[in-house]
Amino acid sequence: EAEVAQSPRYKITEKSQAVAFWCDPISGHATLYWYRQILGQGPELLVQFQDESVVDDSQLPKDRFSAERLKGVDSTLKIQPAELGDSAMYLCASSLGNTRDTQYFGPGTRLTVL
Amino acid sequence: AQSVSQHNHHVILSEAASLELGCNYSYGGTVNLFWYVQYPGQHLQLLLKYFSGDPLVKGIKGFEAEFIKSKFSFNLRKPSVQWSDTAEYFCAVNQGDYKLSFGAGTTVTVRA
Repeated sequence: EAEVAQSPRYKITEKSQAVAFWCDPISGHATLYWYRQILGQGPELLVQFQDESVVDDSQLPKDRFSAERLKGVDSTLKIQPAELGDSAMYLCASSLGNTRDTQYFGPGTRLTVL
Repeated sequence: AQSVSQHNHHVILSEAASLELGCNYSYGGTVNLFWYVQYPGQHLQLLLKYFSGDPLVKGIKGFEAEFIKSKFSFNLRKPSVQWSDTAEYFCAVNQGDYKLSFGAGTTVTVRA
């Protein structure tokens, strides 16, 4: 069964450093999502791509976060500089592209900022 | 913005007991409703979803959920839980756009 791939699985960094996360969605999935999940809370959407275009980035802290999906396939989420409050699980998901379609989630990247 | 409330933060029950997890959402228009589950060490996966039609929807592993429009609710049920149902359960809603709003999740612990 096809899965969403994410790397790294764990990342420890110091405050003010730059970090990057990578996501490879299920082949053929036009829509890609990045979520942040803080411990004890549900996932919160950071950015959504339809092919290579950003559809929604209203919750993305644009002063320090950036995301790209250059060829409409895999995607990178970057944080620069990282802050203590960025410690969380970063989840990537993909779907075919209809609002009723199931979103398939990857294993996530656990970020710890020291 | 859509908000999703899950009533219980942590539920502990014994095998064979019945399970019901509450979920309420804030938007009164047309919504798509989902329950996702995260088993220990695994990623989030879909348990069931509802768009229209019969308000009682069945999902995987014996789970079902009932949509009650008048109560803005989409409660998850299972008549008899197993130890393997130990997991975190998330209710999620979207309102016609792609953006899913998740509840805070309910941790379910099933004791053997």
